[in-house]
Amino acid sequence: AQKVTQAQTEISVVEKEDVTLDCVYETRDTTYYLFWYKQPPSGELVFLIRRNSFDEQNEISGRYSWNFQKSTSSFNFTITASQVVDSAVYFCALSPRLSYNQGGKLIFGQGTELSVKP
Amino acid sequence: DAEITQSPRHKITETGRQVTLACHQTWNHNNMFWYRQDLGHGLRLIHYSYGVHDTNKGEVSDGYSVSRSNTEDLPLTLESAASSQTSVYFCASSLGRNTEAFFGQGTRLTVV
Repeated sequence: AQKVTQAQTEISVVEKEDVTLDCVYETRDTTYYLFWYKQPPSGELVFLIRRNSFDEQNEISGRYSWNFQKSTSSFNFTITASQVVDSAVYFCALSPRLSYNQGGKLIFGQGTELSVKP
Repeated sequence: DAEITQSPRHKITETGRQVTLACHQTWNHNNMFWYRQDLGHGLRLIHYSYGVHDTNKGEVSDGYSVSRSNTEDLPLTLESAASSQTSVYFCASSLGRNTEAFFGQGTRLTVV
């Protein structure tokens, strides 16, 4: 079975705190892609990152960083020095092997709502 | 700029009516998708298409249909709307081969 679990339904932090959003996935495929999307209060879905199953290097983009650990089937997302504008729902998603070369057919987690207070 | 647009953005309809949600993309992407978003479920795939005249069922396809007569459009039809289909619907497209999907702004559908 293919599944993505985001156990944290809601997280609330104060501005400038670091926060980590957890993502655990299940798949029997050896080849797959993992994604993170952001959904701000305005409702649109914004692509953040794509990671393939062969690349376990951590990635940093400004205040955002991602930790991919195949051994624990996790793809966690950390925001350093959070800001109010980071308040959003964040989705982790899995693209399984049968469709990874097509792109876009995604299995989403339930989402984590992050609230950053000033 | 290339984009993906959905219409209408909001719609209220009555149980039993047929409803069509439009999705139009100008990226010339082969792949197009429809998802629904419900609290506690994230986004779930309804139907998808990998090209003109190609359509496939997703995880929650019952009560929905799509058709792909050109590259730009993938309309989603609810044959006989039910209250359980009250949701936010997102259309997405992707170029293919390991690329990310780009999403429309969403359509909030209420079935009363």
